[in-house]
Amino acid sequence: DSGVTQTPKHLITATGQRVTLRCSPRSGDLSVYWYQQSLDQGLQFLIQYYNGEERAKGNILERFSAQQFPDLHSELNLSSLELGDSALYFCASSVGQADYGYTFGSGTRLTVV
Amino acid sequence: GQSLEQPSEVTAVEGAIVQINCTYQTSGFYGLSWYQQHDGGAPTFLSYNALDGLEETGRFSSFLSRSDSYGYLLLQELQMKDSASYFCAVRPDTGRRALTFGSGTRLQVQP
Repeated sequence: DSGVTQTPKHLITATGQRVTLRCSPRSGDLSVYWYQQSLDQGLQFLIQYYNGEERAKGNILERFSAQQFPDLHSELNLSSLELGDSALYFCASSVGQADYGYTFGSGTRLTVV
Repeated sequence: GQSLEQPSEVTAVEGAIVQINCTYQTSGFYGLSWYQQHDGGAPTFLSYNALDGLEETGRFSSFLSRSDSYGYLLLQELQMKDSASYFCAVRPDTGRRALTFGSGTRLQVQP
């Protein structure tokens, strides 16, 4: 157990629907990062939050949004889902806002049918 | 922007030594990280090179040469459990950016 908790582990939903992925960072970590990993692909950075504030944005679609709450957990909202959104979504956390060693959660596997 | 290139697949035998290369094109970065990911698992942090040279952590070593825009991960005394994907990553020094990962190298260790 890495200390980063992601729920749910698996999610199957239909095109056009909206889902929310949840992440609780490791105790003491203030940064949360969201990454998308499609089949046999690398990790694509979506967005970073640090202590409740957005810190960096990557290739995140306008249909996707995220936030970090006062208790530091984070949620990634994916709407108007398309088949191509099927992927593994990882959350990672780190202590600071400019670290090189992240702790990843076990991921949420999203399947859009 | 940042671009990191890795071989897609490497095969080696148990007990051998294997080197996984990472070449990059980036305007500037703070250092090179390496992560390991087993099938169906989460990426786990392996090593970090802030400066040029070799960093050793047990059976794993990592090397960085900024002048050559090149780094590698060296795995010694390969074990079956080392079969996994390995990713290099950089954190850009422009703006507050998170780690940018390469596309990964799948290492297959054979008996």
